[in-house]
Amino acid sequence: SQKIEQNSEALNIQEGKTATLTCNYTNYSPAYLQWYRQDPGRGPVFLLLIRENEKEKRKERLKVTFDTTLKQSLFHITASQPADSATYLCARGSNYQLIWGAGTKLIIKP
Amino acid sequence: EADIYQTPRYLVIGTGKKITLECSQTMGHDKMYWYQQDPGMELHLIHYSYGVNSTEKGDLSSESTVSRIRTEHFPLTLESARPSHTSQYLCASSGTSGGWDTGELFFGEGSRLTVL
Repeated sequence: SQKIEQNSEALNIQEGKTATLTCNYTNYSPAYLQWYRQDPGRGPVFLLLIRENEKEKRKERLKVTFDTTLKQSLFHITASQPADSATYLCARGSNYQLIWGAGTKLIIKP
Repeated sequence: EADIYQTPRYLVIGTGKKITLECSQTMGHDKMYWYQQDPGMELHLIHYSYGVNSTEKGDLSSESTVSRIRTEHFPLTLESARPSHTSQYLCASSGTSGGWDTGELFFGEGSRLTVL
């Protein structure tokens, strides 16, 4: 079955450094991967979508990569700030729906 | 800010009660979804709709039902709530831009349901 695996351990990063989150998928490559941010008690907010034929996508301080050989997507936040602290979710496109990872909690320390 | 609204945000009810979680969007999106999410866990799709009068069950078995009589409205109903229904319920919608399915989901703030 198709799965999305994200590191369940919280990631602690010093303010100003680059935070890198990992999303691994199983079986065949999805047509696209999406990344969302979720704050406690709130709905996820869309950040970036990267398609299978794209190696990299950027948006302001965010960068996403898609490596079909490693079956992996990396999500980078450069010049991280305490306001970036949240849980980040990865999801793969599959037929009519998205299959979600459980998310990685990111904590940016001042 | 996404224009998708869920009510109530929080609900505590007793076993056996009937409840309806409301979801409305003002973006004119055809596709709407209901997800269930427990703390620290992934989102699971329980219902979705591709348009008016279209409803389908998702991969996660659910005793809830949905309806889609209007484009903007996608309510979820539990006829007889049980403690196992305690969870966070998230409504989402997606649309097209320039004829292309953007794939981006817009979520509401969620409805936190507790069944005693």
